[in-house]
This record gives sequence, C-alpha cells and structure tokens, in this order.
Amino acid sequence: GAVVSQHPSWVICKSGTSVKIECRSLDFQATTMFWYRQFPKQSLMLMATSNEGSKATYEQGVEKDKFLINHASLTLSTLTVTSAHPEDSSFYICSARAWNDQNIQYFGAGTRLSVL
Amino acid sequence: DQQVKQNSPSLSVQEGRISILNCDYTNSMFDYFLWYKKYPAEGPTFLISISSIKDKNEDGRFTVFLNKSAKHLSLHIVPSQPGDSAVYFCAALRSGSNYKLTFGKGTLLTVNP
Repeated sequence: GAVVSQHPSWVICKSGTSVKIECRSLDFQATTMFWYRQFPKQSLMLMATSNEGSKATYEQGVEKDKFLINHASLTLSTLTVTSAHPEDSSFYICSARAWNDQNIQYFGAGTRLSVL
Repeated sequence: DQQVKQNSPSLSVQEGRISILNCDYTNSMFDYFLWYKKYPAEGPTFLISISSIKDKNEDGRFTVFLNKSAKHLSLHIVPSQPGDSAVYFCAALRSGSNYKLTFGKGTLLTVNP
C-alpha cells in the first residue's frame, strides 16, 4: 500500500504557541489529503480536506483561522494549530487518497499534541 | 446523527477461531465501504474494501460481506491471530463525490492465545 509519513509523532508546547504538523505522501502524488482529529475512545472526525494548489475545505464547526492548512505540493500538506490551547490537545491524523483507487485513503501514523 | 454504526465496542475471541465484526449504516448514498485496523497512538491501516456492486470481497484471512438491503456489512477474520488484536473501524463513502470517509466508533478486538 501507499506510504504516508506524518511528522512529528508527538509534540508538547506551551499555551499560545503555534505548532506545525507535516503530512507527506512518500511514494505517490496526492492531489487530495485529509486531516482528522481523534479524541480518546472516539472515532476519527474529519476536520478538513486539503487540495493541492487551492484552499482547504473545512468541516462545519472547525475554525479555519485556528487550523491553517497548506497543500503547496503534490506530496506535502501541513496543518498549523495556531495559538494552541489545552483544549486543542488531541491526536491529529492525516491521510492521502490512493493514486490507483481514489476511494481508498492511506493514513499517517498520527501526531499527539499536548498543550500545557 | 451517526451514519455509520459499530454497535459492539469490544469483541473477544480465541486464537484460531473466527472473528466477526459488524457495521451498520443509514445513508443509502454510501456505495463504498472500507475496514481499517488501528493500534493505539498510530494511524489506521487499510485492510479491505468493498463496492456496493459486490456482496463479498476476500483478501487472505479477511473477508468483507455487504448486505445492501439491510445496510449492513461485516468483516470476518479467519483464523484469528493474537496480532489481530486492535481497534477495527468501519468507514463508508459516496464515491465520485468528495470522497469523504465517515467512520464508525470502532470495535476493540482482542484475540486470546
């Protein structure tokens, strides 16, 4: 299957700082990537759809100014959590659509964000 | 309103036996279904999928069955192995549109040696 790399795997930051998470498709080009958030013992919640070369599409209730998404190349999308607060602490996961079957998404390993 | 439901939060089976994980959906527009396996603090791993034009898809030890009239699908793992212990997520989408996945809440499978 396709490989999606996500970095960092774990980040701790102080309240008020910004954190950038990278998502890379390693062996294929991904015109579309997705960003999810998972709370403990909950399902994955789609935050936004990231399209290469255009603005991201955010799900209802997700603050676009809080969660900045950039998809500047066919292999890289970034999520920046701006002015992070403790309630932003969560597990963030990215995915990319497969090149050979657009119905399948391959996921990165996730990033654990802890805001102190 | 949960459109994809996994009503069993957990399932425990003996090694070598069959594991059956169930999933129900309510949105009749869904036409493609996927199963993912997830370990704690890791991203989901794609296992197997099925299109609504089929009722069965098999890949090694994994078989997914789809009953469109009942809006129900199931994942069978035979034989179950201790390494299969993980959370299994069912997901659905409407192909040809925005390809957004809607996930169930997951079922924790424990395979006992």
